[in-house]
Amino acid sequence: GENVEQHPSTLSVQEGDSAVIKCTYSDSASNYFPWYKQELGKRPQLIIDIRSNVGEKKDQRIAVTLNKTAKHFSLHITETQPEDSAVYFCAASTGGGNKLTFGTGTQLKVEL
Amino acid sequence: GAVVSQHPSRVICKSGTSVKIECRSLDFQATTMFWYRQFPKQSLMLMATSNEGSKATYEQGVEKDKFLINHASLTLSTLTVTSAHPEDSSFYICSASEGTANSPLHFGNGTRLTVT
Repeated sequence: GENVEQHPSTLSVQEGDSAVIKCTYSDSASNYFPWYKQELGKRPQLIIDIRSNVGEKKDQRIAVTLNKTAKHFSLHITETQPEDSAVYFCAASTGGGNKLTFGTGTQLKVEL
Repeated sequence: GAVVSQHPSRVICKSGTSVKIECRSLDFQATTMFWYRQFPKQSLMLMATSNEGSKATYEQGVEKDKFLINHASLTLSTLTVTSAHPEDSSFYICSASEGTANSPLHFGNGTRLTVT
């Protein structure tokens, strides 16, 4: 089955700096890669996703890049703000709506 | 947007009792729903895939007789934790999609189960 690895497990940045979280996956059949933000005790919220026919996608301060050959994808958050502090999960699946395999999560802390 | 409702949000039960958690898709039909479990400071682990009108598909290591799943309609899936033990205490989250190739998964708010 699919295996998704995520790094780093914790990340502290100063407000205004950029944050980058990286994930690798094992199943070459995976073609859908969403990123979720989860605040303590709450459900994961989809923040951005990318499909395998696209190499990069951007939504305001958030961007995701995908390298299918290397089987890795990354989340980039620019101009970080304190409210970006949360746990971020990457995930992979063989298509939107199919079961997701999640990475291990990254605790992002944006410090003032 | 698509909404998934999950109840209860919190439940405390005694060891040996059973607990039922409901997951509803409010404004769309979901032929497939997924049940995840999340222990503190850990990732979401898929427990099973709930299929409307048929048996659920369980992930390796998940006891199907302990975690009973029923998906009797296109908008409702239930997870029953039978004979609960303290080690079953966790955050249980359901998710569903609208079923098209490009539709994302929508998550319920989760259920915090505490077994005393």
